[in-house]
Amino acid sequence: AQSVTQLDSHVSVSEGTPVLLRCNYSSSYSPSLFWYVQHPNKGLQLLLKYTSAATLVKGINGFEAEFKKSETSFHLTKPSAHMSDAAEYFCVVSAGGSQGNLIFGKGTKLSVKP
Amino acid sequence: DAGVTQSPTHLIKTRGQQVTLRCSPKSGHDTVSWYQQALGQGPQFIFQYYEEEERQRGNFPDRFSGHQFPNYSSELNVNALLLGDSALYLCASSLVGAWETQYFGPGTRLLVL
Repeated sequence: AQSVTQLDSHVSVSEGTPVLLRCNYSSSYSPSLFWYVQHPNKGLQLLLKYTSAATLVKGINGFEAEFKKSETSFHLTKPSAHMSDAAEYFCVVSAGGSQGNLIFGKGTKLSVKP
Repeated sequence: DAGVTQSPTHLIKTRGQQVTLRCSPKSGHDTVSWYQQALGQGPQFIFQYYEEEERQRGNFPDRFSGHQFPNYSSELNVNALLLGDSALYLCASSLVGAWETQYFGPGTRLLVL
């Protein structure tokens, strides 16, 4: 069965410093992986997705993630945090095959200090 | 281009009541999935509809049921509400050929008293 583990429930950075949100996955085959962001009182927005093409995936708003099969990781990074990046971030794996569901991690809350 | 819309935005019910939540998919999308997000948790998959039929179902009791209409919009029904059903209910739409890329609506926040 597929699963994801977000290693930090809360990450706090200062504005202008790098962001690293960590995610490990478990999958019986090559997975499709995603990062979503959820701002307060707003829906989930897709940041980026990995579907077995390039291992370094670039997303919106300057975010990127690297798929590392040897480490079963899919960490999300951004070189310089903005105040507007403060939100909840979810690492997601697809259930795979013909199954229609996405499996979400528990989320990492990102706080950005001025 | 309108994204995924959901109604109502908030709802308060009492235990034992029934509730219906509605979702209109993104223009051009034919598949609708529903998720439940409890406070402080990630969303959990309830079920997915395509061609007016339930294709997949997560680990939710039969009290949770759904429907998809010919225009691809969808409803989520929950019967015999429990306090534990209080959550944010999210609808996501996609194309059947690319179901993994799901676009989410803002959600309906349900409070059961």
